[in-house]
Amino acid sequence: KAGVTQTPRYLIKTRGQQVTLSCSPISGHRSVSWYQQTPGQGLQFLFEYFSETQRNKGNFPGRFSGRQFSNSRSEMNVSTLELGDSALYLCASTSSPGGYQETQYFGPGTRLLVL
Amino acid sequence: GENVEQHPSTLSVQEGDSAVIKCTYSDSASNYFPWYKQELGKRPQLIIDIRSNVGEKKDQRIAVTLNKTAKHFSLHITETQPEDSAVYFCAASSPNSGYSTLTFGKGTMLLVSP
Repeated sequence: KAGVTQTPRYLIKTRGQQVTLSCSPISGHRSVSWYQQTPGQGLQFLFEYFSETQRNKGNFPGRFSGRQFSNSRSEMNVSTLELGDSALYLCASTSSPGGYQETQYFGPGTRLLVL
Repeated sequence: GENVEQHPSTLSVQEGDSAVIKCTYSDSASNYFPWYKQELGKRPQLIIDIRSNVGEKKDQRIAVTLNKTAKHFSLHITETQPEDSAVYFCAASSPNSGYSTLTFGKGTMLLVSP
């Protein structure tokens, strides 16, 4: 099976702009989670989607949003970009709808640089 | 919410030595503890995980131990090799944190010198 894929791999934006990142889970996986990775804060949970519904959300401002499509592909959007949004954005997919004790498989990430 | 502390932040060993990375967690309801390895510029990759109904799990040179009473778990790598050099992250998952939420430690940079 193909692994989790993310597009684009690299992005450069300026403050105030908005950005959309895409994630395609492993075939058959219906749960997609998003994480932000920065040197200072490490890996932090953004939100999780299952069957087109957001089931869980981390402690991030409302500028961060997401959605999931019927084919399980997910997008996340960041509006009004700030310098501090520069990070590696990772998505992960899991196979089971249970959501607990399930292995999460990560994509390669999208590296966002905000100037 | 859950909080995971990871030590040390950096670890340097000679090839062939053992390496131990320790993590503590705060939520006693946490029941799933994966370890990820992330090489420079690459995605985190699961190397081993443990669930709360077992105390130890081994996979070749890698082992993880879990002490639920003390709320800590550790990664043990024996006979380290230069290709083990990477950043290692521990994580914990609790039903109290909601679906598919992993709370990560800050990572340990492991350097294995030939």
